[in-house]
Amino acid sequence: QKEVEQDPGPLSVPEGAIVSLNCTYSNSAFQYFMWYRQYSRKGPELLMYTYSSGNKEDGRFTAQVDKSSKYISLFIRDSQPSDSATYLCATLTGGGNKLTFGTGTQLKVEL
Amino acid sequence: GAVVSQHPSRVICKSGTSVKIECRSLDFQATTMFWYRQFPKQSLMLMATSNEGSKATYEQGVEKDKFLINHASLTLSTLTVTSAHPEDSSFYICSARGQGSANEKLFFGSGTQLSVL
Repeated sequence: QKEVEQDPGPLSVPEGAIVSLNCTYSNSAFQYFMWYRQYSRKGPELLMYTYSSGNKEDGRFTAQVDKSSKYISLFIRDSQPSDSATYLCATLTGGGNKLTFGTGTQLKVEL
Repeated sequence: GAVVSQHPSRVICKSGTSVKIECRSLDFQATTMFWYRQFPKQSLMLMATSNEGSKATYEQGVEKDKFLINHASLTLSTLTVTSAHPEDSSFYICSARGQGSANEKLFFGSGTQLSVL
């Protein structure tokens, strides 16, 4: 079993839709949870990070962490074609040095 | 956010040659840099952690003699793929962490697509 599981998609939604991206993880020691956006053949760009459980909102993006069920989510409101990319979740233990990535979910927002 | 520059963005080479990839932090001093490899539709896999002025720490299964890492200054780390073979073809990405910064705030380079013929 991988430490971080993520549905690779692809996920196709119409412009303006609310997108829900999810990951599950198995290691209880993970305390930091990140979401990265990666455009084709580019490096990942940090979108959001959350410490422990709870919600965090930044513009159209909301990150949620439920440590009891080991489930992390990223919601994108009013999705735009420019949001089309691969979204990677990543986790980190407290004091840890090594990010553990999910496989990424490919999102396509269509006009 | 901080800028990490990675060059070249794409390289095609013959089997048996060596390829050097550079990773630079442009507006901050990076005490630690990380090198990842990503195959199509797969996750980023950490290859090694590079600390300025010391030897890199390699992940299990990564050959240190094949993937030479040099972190000679606080703004530059290089990865040299020695005697490259077709199976080394992949997307290589570096990331950097600034002095005093936490690991959850890493900044990534734009990646290097290596194709070995």
